[in-house]
Amino acid sequence: EDQVTQSPEALRLQEGESSSLNCSYTVSGLRGLFWYRQDPGKGPEFLFTLYSAGEEKEKERLKATLTKKESFLHITAPKPEDSATYLCAVQAYGVSGGGADGLTFGKGTHLIIQP
Amino acid sequence: GAGVSQSPRYKVAKRGQDVALRCDPISGHVSLFWYQQALGQGPEFLTYFQNEAQLDKSGLPSDRFFAERPEGSVSTLKIQRTQQEDSAVYLCASRLGWAGSTDTQYFGPGTRLTVL
Repeated sequence: EDQVTQSPEALRLQEGESSSLNCSYTVSGLRGLFWYRQDPGKGPEFLFTLYSAGEEKEKERLKATLTKKESFLHITAPKPEDSATYLCAVQAYGVSGGGADGLTFGKGTHLIIQP
Repeated sequence: GAGVSQSPRYKVAKRGQDVALRCDPISGHVSLFWYQQALGQGPEFLTYFQNEAQLDKSGLPSDRFFAERPEGSVSTLKIQRTQQEDSAVYLCASRLGWAGSTDTQYFGPGTRLTVL
């Protein structure tokens, strides 16, 4: 069974204080790892897709990295508008090698950036 | 362009009532997904459509849950004889690519269902 564990559950930072969020995963075979941002009362908003160990992607103050067992979302000099819940999800190969299209999500990290 | 839309945004049902939740995907997207998100949890996969074909319904929690996408566009998630444990946000997502694609899944705003 595919599993995704995110840590910490919650994180409070001062504006400008950089940090990292962790996503550990266990899958039979990884097709892709996705990061989403979710604001209260809204649906998840896509940030990044990573496909293989060693891959990195950046967008503004966010940088996502991937190893064979985990992914990190690094937040550099965050601003209050970066406050949100960050969700990690995996898309795995099916047991028979076919595509498993539904994403398996972690519980998310609730990030608060204080001015 | 228009994103994924869902209606109603909020639904209150009495225990035992039937409800129908609607999803309008991004135009041209082949794949459509339904997820259930309980308070404080990540979304959990319910079912997947490729055009009008329901290819995976392994996440539907019971036979009270039924989904359809008859013309390969709009989808409806129906819950019969609602129970309190069905209270959650129901999210719809659409994706351009076919089965097995790792294209981005774009989510709608969700329908918050409260069962009294």
